[in-house]
Amino acid sequence: DAKTTQPPSMDCAEGRAANLPCNHSTISGNEYVYWYRQIHSQGPQYIIHGLKNNETNEMASLIITEDRKSSTLILPHATLRDTAVYYCIVRVYNQGGKLIFGQGTELSVKP
Amino acid sequence: DTEVTQTPKHLVMGMTNKKSLKCEQHMGHRAMYWYKQKAKKPPELMFVYSYEKLSINESVPSRFSPECPNSSLLNLHLHALQPEDSALYLCASSLSTGPYEQYFGPGTRLTVT
Repeated sequence: DAKTTQPPSMDCAEGRAANLPCNHSTISGNEYVYWYRQIHSQGPQYIIHGLKNNETNEMASLIITEDRKSSTLILPHATLRDTAVYYCIVRVYNQGGKLIFGQGTELSVKP
Repeated sequence: DTEVTQTPKHLVMGMTNKKSLKCEQHMGHRAMYWYKQKAKKPPELMFVYSYEKLSINESVPSRFSPECPNSSLLNLHLHALQPEDSALYLCASSLSTGPYEQYFGPGTRLTVT
């Protein structure tokens, strides 16, 4: 599996956009980029995933660079409830369901 | 219903005890997972069940014994654990083992004394 690199921590002001970067320079053509988050003392929560194209859902947007070596998760209007550890994961389509979590980015949304 | 439930929420057990963790989902998912998470660390995959059959065992010690009695239920039987096994045990499920999102339960916080 391709390795991901994320900053260990980030701050964001409430109401502003949170842009969380992820580097996956060794990603291969059949690997998807997934984002999950884990709010303190809860189980991880799926946010979004993509292969090549940018994706948007009700929670966030995922921007993947053209060379696919990096991506950015965007929370358009961060709230205090978005304070969590955000994990960027790359995985092959059919690797038996394995999710390999990296260290993640601890996002603190401040008033 | 997009919920994965886990019981108990907390468990304290001695090293000679036998206990079980339970996980349940009613989303019709055919893949279920156990993860272990130590404090301040990311979750680590332990086991994957696909259509009630064990498909992945990430070299987990035999003192952890998973069981999938039916498509909605996943158990983790614990025996002769060590204090270093104290962790948050997370269950998850997904439609299958394809590229589908995994839904996680809230976890069982296990303390081994």
